[in-house]
Amino acid sequence: DTGVSQDPRHKITKRGQNVTFRCDPISEHNRLYWYRQTLGQGPEFLTYFQNEAQLEKSRLLSDRFSAERPKGSFSTLEIQRTEQGDSAMYLCGGGGVGDTQYFGPGTRLTVL
Amino acid sequence: GQSLEQPSEVTAVEGAIVQINCTYQTSGFYGLSWYQQHDGGAPTFLSYNALDGLEETGRFSSFLSRSDSYGYLLLQELQMKDSASYFCAATSGSARQLTFGSGTQLTVLP
Repeated sequence: DTGVSQDPRHKITKRGQNVTFRCDPISEHNRLYWYRQTLGQGPEFLTYFQNEAQLEKSRLLSDRFSAERPKGSFSTLEIQRTEQGDSAMYLCGGGGVGDTQYFGPGTRLTVL
Repeated sequence: GQSLEQPSEVTAVEGAIVQINCTYQTSGFYGLSWYQQHDGGAPTFLSYNALDGLEETGRFSSFLSRSDSYGYLLLQELQMKDSASYFCAATSGSARQLTFGSGTQLTVLP
């Protein structure tokens, strides 16, 4: 158990709906990452927070995606107007000292 | 761009040793990590190499050669529960984000 929790674990939604995922890292994780993983592929980087500051965003993060980390603790990832191509596992990774990242259990999104 | 290459599939028998290779082309490289992922689960951290050489953690060892842009994961005394996907991932960039390979599906046969 990495101590990183994510909620919900599974989400099924209809195309066009908005969804929000939550990640709770452990207190030592001042670095927080979001990744997306589609079937048969490795995870792809979406965005990075150092404490409450969002310092890096991938080109994969379209305008429909927004992430926040208020107070530098938990983080949320919102997808607006979901599309079928958004179906994936969304992973939250926490990192403290050093470059190691520990992932939560992920949120599996299915867009119908 | 960043890219990592690893074999798509490896098969071995219980008790054997298997090596999964990874070559990378990454600018601003800091180190190479290995993750294990079982079907339906999230990636689990196995090891991280920032310096050249071999790191050993129980039955698993990981090696890095920065001059060759190459690393490998060595799994010894294979067990059925080791059947999973294994990903190499390079740490790079100002965010020190991970760029993953496409994964190696390891099947351990009885």
